[in-house]
Amino acid sequence: GQNIDQPTEMTATEGAIVQINCTYQTSGFNGLFWYQQHAGEAPTFLSYNVLDGLEEKGRFSSFLSRSKGYSYLLLKELQMKDSASYLCAVRAPRSYIPTFGRGTSLIVHP
Amino acid sequence: DVKVTQSSRYLVKRTGEKVFLECVQDMDHENMFWYRQDPGLGLRLIYFSYDVKMKEKGDIPEGYSVSREKKERFSLILESASTNQTSMYLCASSPGGRDTEAFFGQGTRLTVV
Repeated sequence: GQNIDQPTEMTATEGAIVQINCTYQTSGFNGLFWYQQHAGEAPTFLSYNVLDGLEEKGRFSSFLSRSKGYSYLLLKELQMKDSASYLCAVRAPRSYIPTFGRGTSLIVHP
Repeated sequence: DVKVTQSSRYLVKRTGEKVFLECVQDMDHENMFWYRQDPGLGLRLIYFSYDVKMKEKGDIPEGYSVSREKKERFSLILESASTNQTSMYLCASSPGGRDTEAFFGQGTRLTVV
């Protein structure tokens, strides 16, 4: 089975940096995804990590440590539009199915 | 752009009704998924299909069935709707490769009264 943990809610200030953590205990590992979901909208893909290390994509970066079962999403230069839920999802070996955590609601205030 | 389209944005049905939720993708993806999303519970997988006429149960298949007669279309069926099936339903698709993400439809907010 898969167990994926994320904080329920985080708040941060516009212009700041925030790190959203995700820990997982799974029966095998075949990649970790981060999605962003604004209220009332579909999740949209942010990043994918399958090897250890940091993947940077503009203001967003994602880090993975497979030995620790740990990932984080780093958001820099926060903007009000970054207020959203951030979903961590892990894929099991030989599977195309992502299993999602419960999501972290990020509130960015002025 | 990949497009995953769900037939309805909002739906209200009565208890006991048979309900069909339709999903169509236009990118020739092999894999299609149905999730439901509830506050505090996140996205939970109902059913998954990796090819036409193929389906696998997800974590919460009870009370649901699916149909995939054509590659681009994946239907979720509530045989007899109940109030505990009131939820946001999200369809997604992905290609068959390894390093590929899922693309989501806009969701159907179903209310069963």
